[in-house]
Amino acid sequence: ETGVTQTPRHLVMGMTNKKSLKCEQHLGHNAMYWYKQSAKKPLELMFVYNFKEQTENNSVPSRFSPECPNSSHLFLHLHTLQPEDSALYLCASSHETGSVEQYFGPGTRLTVT
Amino acid sequence: KQEVTQIPAALSVPEGENLVLNCSFTDSAIYNLQWFRQDPGKGLTSLLLIQSSQREQTSGRLNASLDKSSGRSTLYIAASQPGDSATYLCAVKQNDYKLSFGAGTTVTVRA
Repeated sequence: ETGVTQTPRHLVMGMTNKKSLKCEQHLGHNAMYWYKQSAKKPLELMFVYNFKEQTENNSVPSRFSPECPNSSHLFLHLHTLQPEDSALYLCASSHETGSVEQYFGPGTRLTVT
Repeated sequence: KQEVTQIPAALSVPEGENLVLNCSFTDSAIYNLQWFRQDPGKGLTSLLLIQSSQREQTSGRLNASLDKSSGRSTLYIAASQPGDSATYLCAVKQNDYKLSFGAGTTVTVRA
């Protein structure tokens, strides 16, 4: 248990659906991250928030829309996804963006049909 | 751009054998290097973190070495057990917040 929780753990959605992934950290951290992990590929950083402000958008398609209402919560809103977006989506947090360690949640396994 | 490579991609050993996992990176200007464990469909668990000024870190049966100048790290797991079966990821952090990950080595320890 790392102190970072993600819901749902599994999600199956059609290409026309709209859904949201939720991440919550109980560590008092100020930075939160979304990563995408596709099969047999390295983790890819998607978005970074520091003190609720987005500091990184790693050329992510607009069908992925992040939201960070406060330092403890991070959402990833999904709409009109493609089958190639099927992956494990991992959330992480750290004290600040320059901190030594990031703490990872268990991930949401997303399948787009 | 930092590139992180892990060899081999998969490894199967009998119980009790020592494991040697390799990680290489192209830019030696790193802040730290971290080894993670990932069980199937799960998140990442940090195993060892080596600062750029350190040569190795140890935790129980795990030992990680770092040779920054040659861009290499090795994770040793002594006397492997079936519970060590997982994917092991290497990640390097440069002087910003970004972690660059390898694709991982999937380990199977046969009972």
